[in-house]
Amino acid sequence: EDKVVQSPLSLVVHEGDTVTLNCSYEVTNFRSLLWYKQEKKAPTFLFMLTSSGIEKKSGRLSSILDKKELFSILNITATQTGDSAIYLCAGGGNTDKLIFGTGTRLQVFP
Amino acid sequence: EPEVTQTPSHQVTQMGQEVILRCVPISNHLYFYWYRQILGQKVEFLVSFYNNEISEKSEIFDDQFSVERPDGSNFTLKIRSTKLEDSAMYFCASTPGGRGPQHFGDGTRLSIL
Repeated sequence: EDKVVQSPLSLVVHEGDTVTLNCSYEVTNFRSLLWYKQEKKAPTFLFMLTSSGIEKKSGRLSSILDKKELFSILNITATQTGDSAIYLCAGGGNTDKLIFGTGTRLQVFP
Repeated sequence: EPEVTQTPSHQVTQMGQEVILRCVPISNHLYFYWYRQILGQKVEFLVSFYNNEISEKSEIFDDQFSVERPDGSNFTLKIRSTKLEDSAMYFCASTPGGRGPQHFGDGTRLSIL
């Protein structure tokens, strides 16, 4: 059965800290790994990764995929209180559906 | 930036009643999806829809569920006879191509009494 596992489940840091969120996956005919940020409502798209070893970057956020070890990490440097959210990882295979993990709840305190 | 819009934001319904959740996907998108998230649990895939037909559905999407694109802009999810366990946040998503990132709406919180 396809599954996506995220760790840690919860993380509490102070502003300015750097965090690393982990995502491992087992997805049949894997094609892509996606990261989303969920605040109060809609999951907001962050990154889609399809190739190993190529870092995707957006401001203080970056992510990389390892297709050999079946995992991805999301890094956030110099965290801010606005980064507080649930970060969701999802795997996509050769069908339409995304398989989501349970998410990592990040709380950033001033 | 274009976004997926969903209505209503919150729906409260008696068990056994029919509900219709509405979504307006991003205008140039061709693939549409429904997911649900029971409180405290993972986001789960329900159904995908392309070219006016279901392309994939999960085990959750049984005969009580149906989807429709009644016109060029709306995409609806109908639950025929709601059960208590249908209480969840329902998200609509869309993507321009079948392999692109899915963009989600704010969700409809469905509460079954």
